[in-house]
Amino acid sequence: DGGITQSPKYLFRKEGQNVTLSCEQNLNHDAMYWYRQDPGQGLRLIYYSQIVNDFQKGDIAEGYSVSREKKESFPLTVTSAQKNPTAFYLCASTLSGTRNTIYFGEGSWLTVV
Amino acid sequence: AQSVTQPDIHITVSEGASLELRCNYSYGATPYLFWYVQSPGQGLQLLLKYFSGDTLVQGIKGFEAEFKRSQSSFNLRKPSVHWSDAAEYFCAVGTRGGATNKLIFGTGTLLAVQP
Repeated sequence: DGGITQSPKYLFRKEGQNVTLSCEQNLNHDAMYWYRQDPGQGLRLIYYSQIVNDFQKGDIAEGYSVSREKKESFPLTVTSAQKNPTAFYLCASTLSGTRNTIYFGEGSWLTVV
Repeated sequence: AQSVTQPDIHITVSEGASLELRCNYSYGATPYLFWYVQSPGQGLQLLLKYFSGDTLVQGIKGFEAEFKRSQSSFNLRKPSVHWSDAAEYFCAVGTRGGATNKLIFGTGTLLAVQP
């Protein structure tokens, strides 16, 4: 089935450790996104990528890093510099063009312990 | 700056009653507008979208929304709510940057449905 796969679904991290969240899509989408969701704050854009080997910072990029080496993959690394990393992380993707729907994965829960 | 406001954090309706969720946006150009629904611990599913043309947009699951430029609003409606509609609803505006959109979301409205 076509879709966006995020893994792991649940992840626990000790303070001071980096962690990488995986996002893979088999929809042949050009653009991919990472959003962070906190209760009462909606979704906020961390990073996005419109083509391979290129990405841009979103509104809350500090403490995060990404790569886009393959069209289908857009991993997010939450570094130890992120002050409050406990959140629900959502990956999304879409075709190039401004009238296309953005589709979301099922999300990953990150808890810092 | 572009923004989306959902003034109602939490709404409770009785099953079978009508529903209207409010959304106001701030955007300099003609907006692309979206409504998504999220069940607990899940991703977002698109309910409907507005790009241009008819200002009354039909979506999935019996939802509709009306774009009102004069009021900068895009309210979501359903004539008769079902218990399975209990979820969180997000309004979003698509900001055009380069080849694709970025979405700016409101803070969401949590819908509870009473039997």
